Parts: sequence; structure tokens; C-alpha cells
Amino acid sequence: DQQVKQNSPSLSVQEGRISILNCDYTNSMFDYFLWYKKYPAEGPTFLISISSIKDKNEDGRFTVFLNKSAKHLSLHIVPSQPGDSAVYFCAAKSVRQLTFGSGTQLTVLP
Amino acid sequence: DAGVTQSPTHLIKTRGQQVTLRCSPKSGHDTVSWYQQALGQGPQFIFQYYEEEERQRGNFPDRFSGHQFPNYSSELNVNALLLGDSALYLCASSLLDRAYEQYFGPGTRLTVT
Repeated sequence: DQQVKQNSPSLSVQEGRISILNCDYTNSMFDYFLWYKKYPAEGPTFLISISSIKDKNEDGRFTVFLNKSAKHLSLHIVPSQPGDSAVYFCAAKSVRQLTFGSGTQLTVLP
Repeated sequence: DAGVTQSPTHLIKTRGQQVTLRCSPKSGHDTVSWYQQALGQGPQFIFQYYEEEERQRGNFPDRFSGHQFPNYSSELNVNALLLGDSALYLCASSLLDRAYEQYFGPGTRLTVT
């Protein structure tokens, strides 16, 4: 039973445009949500997070939106750059444990 | 400031053997978590160590065990290896009460033949 789902395995976006990555969850006990970026042969790198008591958090080109009623969060990257091409994982925290989605491969085309 | 380091980078073992993977946390961190990432999947939580004790455990069999040393470094041991144990094993470190800030190492790629 997947508690965190990323339904799009891949996404291609033109450089300069907006990238929107989506994530759905089922467990109401999650209190923190995170996005990680992963390049090949490297471990995941923390990108941005949001507490369950907020609905938006912004950091430079990255914004995470949380819709608790829909149990849905999204990551917006504006503008997208070729260096953003990577696998993006959504993760959710309950107690001290992270539960990850299966990832979305983002390709930003020059 | 050294980040999370893991050794070895790659490992090939035969079914039924035992393996030990090692992790050194980021400087200042006291908590180590281990994850298994199968191909095409997200990392799956194995267990977490703090103060040399296992604090939390995911849905993994007892063949998976660990240890944390006084210097906060950690080992992951897997006994009686199965082909399905082939995966990338990731170590993440954090402060106990800031589990939302986990820093990952590059991982150890384990192949079981």
C-alpha cells in the first residue's frame, strides 16, 4: 500500500517554462512534506519542505503547494533550467520516518 | 565540513552470503537512517539509529540489522542475501528532532548474484 504516490514517471519541459511535479498521499498523520532531487550516482539532495500547517512555501525558483483536503502537494519550478533535469522525489514525514514516492524524471529541454 | 559518506561504493555478493555496509554521518548529526532503493522506486525506510539503539524500523525482515557506534557512524548488515536484496542502499543523517532535514550519502550499490 503506497502511502505516497507520484503518478507521473516522467515530465519534459522547455527551458524557461514552468515545471509542475505532483504528489498524492493517503496518511493524515504526515506532518511534514519534502522534495528531494537526485542525480545519477548521487544520493538524494534536499530541495524544499513544507509543514502540514502551511499551504505554500517558496525558495527562489522553487515553490511547494500543499492542499491538505485533497491530500495533494506539488512542486513548481519557475523558470526551469537544463540543470534541473533530475529525478524528483516527494517524501512525507511521520514521527521521524520519511516515506518516499517513486519519483518523477524531469527533463528540461534547451 | 564532510557530508555523509558511505562505503563501499559497489559490492557484488552471492545469494546466501552476508554483507556489511558502512556510513559516517554529517558532522554534528547524531541520528542515522538507512534506506533501500530498488530500481525505479523511491527509497524505502529500513531503520533508524540514535544513541546506539534502533529507534524505528520499517517493514524489513530480521535479516536486516544494524549498529551505531559511539562516534555516530553506523553499519547495516544483511544476512542470507536474496536476489531481491539487490538495490542501492542509502544512509541519511540528521539531528533526532529534525528528521525533516535528512542528508543522504551517495549510496552503496549491492548486487546479489
